[in-house]
Parts: sequence; structure tokens; C-alpha cells
Amino acid sequence: QQPVQSPQAVILREGEDAVINCSSSKALYSVHWYRQKHGEAPVFLMILLKGGEQKGHEKISASFNEKKQQSSLYLTASQLSYSGTYFCGTGSVGQNFVFGPGTRLSVLP
Amino acid sequence: DAGVIQSPRHEVTEMGQEVTLRCKPISGHNSLFWYRQTMMRGLELLIYFNNNVPIDDSGMPEDRFSAKMPNASFSTLKIQPSEPRDSAVYFCASTSLPNNYGYTFGSGTRLTVV
Repeated sequence: QQPVQSPQAVILREGEDAVINCSSSKALYSVHWYRQKHGEAPVFLMILLKGGEQKGHEKISASFNEKKQQSSLYLTASQLSYSGTYFCGTGSVGQNFVFGPGTRLSVLP
Repeated sequence: DAGVIQSPRHEVTEMGQEVTLRCKPISGHNSLFWYRQTMMRGLELLIYFNNNVPIDDSGMPEDRFSAKMPNASFSTLKIQPSEPRDSAVYFCASTSLPNNYGYTFGSGTRLTVV
């Protein structure tokens, strides 16, 4: 069952912050985050494997709330290069790893 | 490492023709995945292999689709006969399981069936 991502799309000005959420109806043991630019392949950003785990990658970080079966991706002081579609992918027992529908992020100058 | 290599990058074919997509995973990765991406359905898992063995092909749309992985460095996805609704971008990705450090995707093959 595909995780739900919100929002579907977001438009920011350079320097603004954004949060993208990913939630599942199933108990999760892992969450991945990827970014895909138009016409390119998805690129791995980070993986979260433990409940409550937070990871950072430059100004992009993520948290994993195992109890709530959700993860959030935080983009701070956004740059033009952050534009793209962000996918979460979730792993749960008894189900293949599955990607969410994506959140389209546009950063304007 | 050159990453995951897919060929061809673009393929235009007529309905009814056979199409073969190719993938070379990252050396040392033991798992390979074939995904299809469309606007309507997003990223769909078609099939994945672990140590060259197909583990789950439940995502393969129908018998027209088949995939093989004859060795650790090569996999093919074949569509025969192709139909216009098969038009999509097909991605191959690889990783090492169970220590999953994330999937590395190839550049994809954009397939257009006319």
C-alpha cells in the first residue's frame, strides 16, 4: 500500500523553509527520501531506520516517528537547486518497498 | 564507479514489436529492481532480483513482460508484443541488501510505443 505524501506541491521563494510529510497505514521499519529533477533519475537523499531517528544532509534533514508511522523531510533556507519532486519510500513487514506519489517543490528566485 | 547503466536512453517502437531494455547494476550490489514511472501511476515496482534470483514479479503487468538476470552484472526487461500503454520511463536500480544504503537509479529508458 502506497504511503501518502503531503503536500502534493509547494512553491517557495529562495531562503524559505518547507516540510514534506510521508505517512503510512502500515508499521514501518525504514523510510527513504529521494529527489528527482525533471528528466532525470531519482537520487537518494537519506534513509531512516530507527524510530525517532533524525538525519541531516546539508540543509535537508528528516525525522522518523515510528509510532505515528510517518516521516517528515525538512528543507531549510531553500536554494534554487532544491527544486524537484521529492519521494518517500517505505519498508514494512510483508510488503515490498514502495514509493509515495511524490511532492513537487518549486523554489523561485 | 560508473553507477547503474541503462540502455538505450530512448526507444521508439511500433505497436506489436519486441522491446528489450538493458541494465548493468553497480558492482558489488546484490539486488536489482525494475521500476516503471508514469504521470498517472508514479513509480511502480515491476520486479526485483536478489543474488540474480527473481524474488517478486507481482508488479509485472502481464505475460507480455519478462525479466532476466543471467549474472550479477546484467539484467534485461523485455516487452513482447509492445502496446501504446507501455509507454513510460523504465528505471533500473540496485542496492545491497540487507544493509540497505538506498537505491541507486540508472538514467532510465524512455519508451514510446506508437
